Order: sequence, then C-alpha cells, then structure tokens
Amino acid sequence: AQRVTQPEKLLSVFKGAPVELKCNYSYSGSPELFWYVQYSRQRLQLLLRHISRESIKGFTADLNKGETSFHLKKPFAQEEDSAMYYCALGGNEKLTFGTGTRLTIIP
Amino acid sequence: SAVISQKPSRDICQRGTSLTIQCQVDSQVTMMFWYRQQPGQSLTLIATANQGSEATYESGFVIDKFPISRPNLTFSTLTVSNMSPEDSSIYLCSVDPGSRSYTFGSGTRLTVV
Repeated sequence: AQRVTQPEKLLSVFKGAPVELKCNYSYSGSPELFWYVQYSRQRLQLLLRHISRESIKGFTADLNKGETSFHLKKPFAQEEDSAMYYCALGGNEKLTFGTGTRLTIIP
Repeated sequence: SAVISQKPSRDICQRGTSLTIQCQVDSQVTMMFWYRQQPGQSLTLIATANQGSEATYESGFVIDKFPISRPNLTFSTLTVSNMSPEDSSIYLCSVDPGSRSYTFGSGTRLTVV
C-alpha cells in the first residue's frame, strides 16, 4: 500500500530562516514523489517533482530511498512562502497525498 | 500544462438531493481523477475516469454514490448522490497532461444542510 506521512501539521518560521518540511513515504515499488503547494484562495499547484531534480522558488527536495524521505527545503524563507504544502506519492498512475503542512512565515 | 475549469465553485445543498460537478480540460487527456478533501484533511482519491470505459473506484467509494461520466477526452462529471452532511467537502478533479505533471481544478466546495 502507498502511504505518505507529513509529521508536522503546522510550521512557523521566521523570515530569512531556513525551512524544512518533512515527508516520509511507504511504497514497495519505485516511487515518484511530488510537492504540491496551495496558496491562500488559489488552487493546488505542482511545486516540484523528484524526477526533475529542479529548484522552484528556491525550494529543493531530494529523494532519499534509504530513509524513504522527500523533505522540502529552502535556505531562506520569504513571506510569500506562507501556504499549505502537500507531499504526494505517485504509483500505479495515481497520487497519494500526505495530510499537509501549513507553513507560516513570521515577518 | 493543462488548464482545468471546474464548476460549480461552491454550492449549498439539501440532504437527500444530488449535485453534479463538471470538469472541463483545455486539452485531450487519457485519465481524469476525482478527489475529495474533507474539512481539515488531505486529498483522497475517489475514482479514476477513462474515456470509453467504466470509472475505477477506490476502496470506500461506490458508483451508486459517486457516479462518474466521461463522454470524451476533455470532459468529465462527478455526481454526489443522496447527499448527507458527511458529504460536505471540497471535490477536485485532476488530470495528467503528460510527464506525470498532475494538474488540479480549483475545486467545488460542497455544503450539505
């Protein structure tokens, strides 16, 4: 079975401080991991995928198969990063979502 | 990436009635997905809809309660039937236009009274 765990429901970080949103997964196959973000009053949108190995809006995430993790990181938080973040696992052509972390950046 | 138009954006419905949610995509896609997000919870997949075949439902969801249509490669509907207050949720459609870049609609916020 596919499972995604985001242990923090809420996370508050000061502006300029580093951010790390945790995500762990459980999947017997070869995982595809995603981070989605939902800003206030906007639709859910793809932030990044592990397969692309890209950096979007300063965020990066590395897939660690040994620790079954896909933590989202940003070295310096900005106020516009305040949003709801969901980690998702793709397998069998469908996505399984974590419960999400609400990130608040304190000015 | 694909652009999804979902409607209605919100509705308040009486228990026992049904609501049909529409999802229109600006490009042809093979699979469309319907999710539910209950208050304070994450997204849960209801079913996967392929054009020309019956939808595939996830555990805990049945066709009688959530009938789905997929008449062509750009459109799908989800009906929430015989509604109860427990059906109050946000319902979202999603597509994969390619390269596993799943895109979501803006959602339908349903309140059942």
